[in-house]
Amino acid sequence: ILNVEQSPQSLHVQEGDSTNFTCSFPSSNFYALHWYRWETAKSPEALFVMTLNGDEKKKGRISATLNTKEGYSYLYIKGSQPEDSATYLCAPQDGNNRLAFGKGNQVVVIP
Amino acid sequence: DVKVTQSSRYLVKRTGEKVFLECVQDMDHENMFWYRQDPGLGLRLIYFSYDVKMKEKGDIPEGYSVSREKKERFSLILESASTNQTSMYLCASSSATATNEKLFFGSGTQLSVL
Repeated sequence: ILNVEQSPQSLHVQEGDSTNFTCSFPSSNFYALHWYRWETAKSPEALFVMTLNGDEKKKGRISATLNTKEGYSYLYIKGSQPEDSATYLCAPQDGNNRLAFGKGNQVVVIP
Repeated sequence: DVKVTQSSRYLVKRTGEKVFLECVQDMDHENMFWYRQDPGLGLRLIYFSYDVKMKEKGDIPEGYSVSREKKERFSLILESASTNQTSMYLCASSSATATNEKLFFGSGTQLSVL
């Protein structure tokens, strides 16, 4: 089982502010890095899947970067809105096609 | 709209009962997974399947079994439910041929074992 650390576990953000959080994972046997958003009472939804060192992906106000050599990924939310309130799950995928999920970053955007 | 459907949103069962959690996907995905989510822990993989009639143990398979008789359906079975199996269960599927194999999740089944 991969040891996946997400920090901070929980954060409150004022509407309009930008924020970011971290996912750390073992860099060995790395294949891909997944980010999912899980809103309360809904299904987790994929945000990004990244594979290459230095990859940067963007979806609206949310973006992510990947460093496979040192084993971390950052997720950024620019100009947070109440609809960004959710738990963001990071999951590295190994060469055996298995994902290991972190505990998540719980984000609450305060209007 | 693509879908992963779990048969029950909430389920209450008694200790010792045999419990079936059903999951159906309409995307013709080869891969299907069962996870459980508990407070303070990440999603943990119970079982997965890469093809019909194929199954592989995940990280926490004890007390569970699975069935994949048809490509679209993946069932999780609790042979004799216990209170420590009270949890949120999530089913997911993915394509084996897509360039990025992102998971599509069901809405989850909150199981309470009394």
